[in-house]
Amino acid sequence: EVQLVQSGAEVKKSGESLKISCQGSGYSFTTSWIAWVRQMPGKGLEWMGIIYPSDSDTRYSPSFQGQVTISADKSISTAYLQWSSLKASDTAMYYCARCGRTDYGMDVWGQGTTVTVSS
Amino acid sequence: QSVLTQPPSVSAAPGQKVIISCSGSSSNIGNNYVSWYQQFPGTAPKLLIYDNNKRPSGIPDRFSGSKSGTSATLGITGLQTGDEADYYCGTRDSSLSVVVFGGGTTLTVL
Repeated sequence: EVQLVQSGAEVKKSGESLKISCQGSGYSFTTSWIAWVRQMPGKGLEWMGIIYPSDSDTRYSPSFQGQVTISADKSISTAYLQWSSLKASDTAMYYCARCGRTDYGMDVWGQGTTVTVSS
Repeated sequence: QSVLTQPPSVSAAPGQKVIISCSGSSSNIGNNYVSWYQQFPGTAPKLLIYDNNKRPSGIPDRFSGSKSGTSATLGITGLQTGDEADYYCGTRDSSLSVVVFGGGTTLTVL
């Protein structure tokens, strides 16, 4: 079964750092882009960026460039999303997704990681 | 303000048909393939339609997609209460070099 399994919920304070993960299984992890998508409470989906695990080629949405870092370790089929200094406005659900369809259509999604940042 | 425009909500009776629209521009829908996603409260989105009108394995043929120019539509026939969810369109935007989503449409089956 093709799946993406994300790390568990996080509760942090403003200014702290954080790295969440997304591990793929059931397919060749290096041959599909992995996207990160933010969903703030009660809001819609926002595309943050993507990474190609084979060579770690990374693209960011201008809205998130400089705010987060996307990385991957292909040896353990895992992608990461990290913050160096969290803000309360980073409170959201974060999903990873495999871009297995044309024009980055996302065909497999992780279960999501809730990040709560208190000020 | 989302790059792709969807109606915030639609509603219809069980058994009826509903159409959800998604409007964009030549830099996104006009020149790229559209995907549609279904999201139930508290769960991850799920791919419903890709490449404008293709259904992944396991998606019933009650769901259909189409595209014309800079707009796309999702059609759902034979509505069931279990179809109540949020629906999002998405595609690549060649000018912005990003993926863009619509703001989402909440479907209510009355």
